[in-house]
Amino acid sequence: DADVTQTPRNRITKTGKRIMLECSQTKGHDRMYWYRQDPGLGLRLIYYSFDVKDINKGEISDGYSVSRQAQAKFSLSLESAIPNQTALYFCATSDWGQGATDTQYFGPGTRLTVL
Amino acid sequence: EDKVVQSPLSLVVHEGDTVTLNCSYEVTNFRSLLWYKQEKKAPTFLFMLTSSGIEKKSGRLSSILDKKELSSILNITATQTGDSAIYLCARDSGTYKYIFGTGTRLKVLA
Repeated sequence: DADVTQTPRNRITKTGKRIMLECSQTKGHDRMYWYRQDPGLGLRLIYYSFDVKDINKGEISDGYSVSRQAQAKFSLSLESAIPNQTALYFCATSDWGQGATDTQYFGPGTRLTVL
Repeated sequence: EDKVVQSPLSLVVHEGDTVTLNCSYEVTNFRSLLWYKQEKKAPTFLFMLTSSGIEKKSGRLSSILDKKELSSILNITATQTGDSAIYLCARDSGTYKYIFGTGTRLKVLA
């Protein structure tokens, strides 16, 4: 079973709709991240969380919100989707500070299309 | 602005060629720089570099960090079609988060 899972894997929605992307992990990491990837722009950080009570904005948080329901679950919401939020979204976890690798482990991604 | 810049943006080579991918950044004090390979899905970890001048190797891939030049390179020797992917570098920006470069898209032709 995958250590970091994302649902849904693909989603097409309409402008103005609310949508939630979910991420779950079994790695036991405290640190979780949401990124979006656009062609030519690499991965950009939306939000990150260091534990259930600690949520931080990344570089492109406008139009997004998050919820850390438990150590293992971190959800990303688009309250009112717009076409320029069409992108590939990745969730990641890290043991930075807890382990030795500082590595981020990525989920399989959610491809979101906003019409 | 704190940026990570990768070059070239894209590269097409033939099997057997050697390629060098570059990653440059703008700050001198950081904890680590990571390299990832991204095929049609999630990025997968290749290397973590923390010390300047110490090469990390894994098979045909190797990477080194040059803190004096504010850069890192990823070398792939004897390329194969399976090396075709986007290669991403990321540098920690403090407070346990990373800044990613835009990636280099490598295509290896048979």
